[in-house]
Amino acid sequence: AQTVTQSQPEMSVQEAETVTLSCTYDTSENNYYLFWYKQPPSRQMILVIRQEAYKQQNATENRFSVNFQKAAKSFSLKISDSQLGDTAMYFCAFMNDFGNEKLTFGTGTRLTIIP
Amino acid sequence: GAVVSQHPSRVICKSGTSVKIECRSLDFQATTMFWYRQFPKQSLMLMATSNEGSKATYEQGVEKDKFLINHASLTLSTLTVTSAHPEDSSFYICSGAGDRVRNEQFFGPGTRLTVL
Repeated sequence: AQTVTQSQPEMSVQEAETVTLSCTYDTSENNYYLFWYKQPPSRQMILVIRQEAYKQQNATENRFSVNFQKAAKSFSLKISDSQLGDTAMYFCAFMNDFGNEKLTFGTGTRLTIIP
Repeated sequence: GAVVSQHPSRVICKSGTSVKIECRSLDFQATTMFWYRQFPKQSLMLMATSNEGSKATYEQGVEKDKFLINHASLTLSTLTVTSAHPEDSSFYICSGAGDRVRNEQFFGPGTRLTVL
């Protein structure tokens, strides 16, 4: 079974600074997908970024980028120029590439952006 | 992204009663729907996976007779918590996956269940 580990329960950073959230996972599969989800106080799950394991290039979405290290099974999220609206829980998640498979979530990191 | 709705957003019930939660995909066909439970300050835990027209597959430790899941159409899945007890109080989230984007789930806004 796959496992996802987020070792930082809480983090805080000053507004406009850069912050990196860590995630490691364990799998024996070669093809899979990795995700970062944001859950603000409203509790609506919002997809931040997605990475296909077969792609070597790291995914980026505006201020959000990942550092995907397949051999090390590491998938960190970097948030640049952090904004107050980035305050939320962030979950790393894993999905096998078998077609609409279930997500396995990490325990989450609570990120607070300080004004 | 695609839109998934849940109803109700919040429900309070007495111990021993049953509660039904609806999950609808509004602008795509969800061939697969997932139900998660989230306790305060914890992560999402998958309860079950349902494919349209088939019986749901429950995760280990989830009582299928207590948490009844129906996925009768490509846009609707329901979760019924039967004979609810205070320990069933939680935040329930559904997600759908289908023809919109392969290997991506779209989440509903969640339902907060409180059992008195």
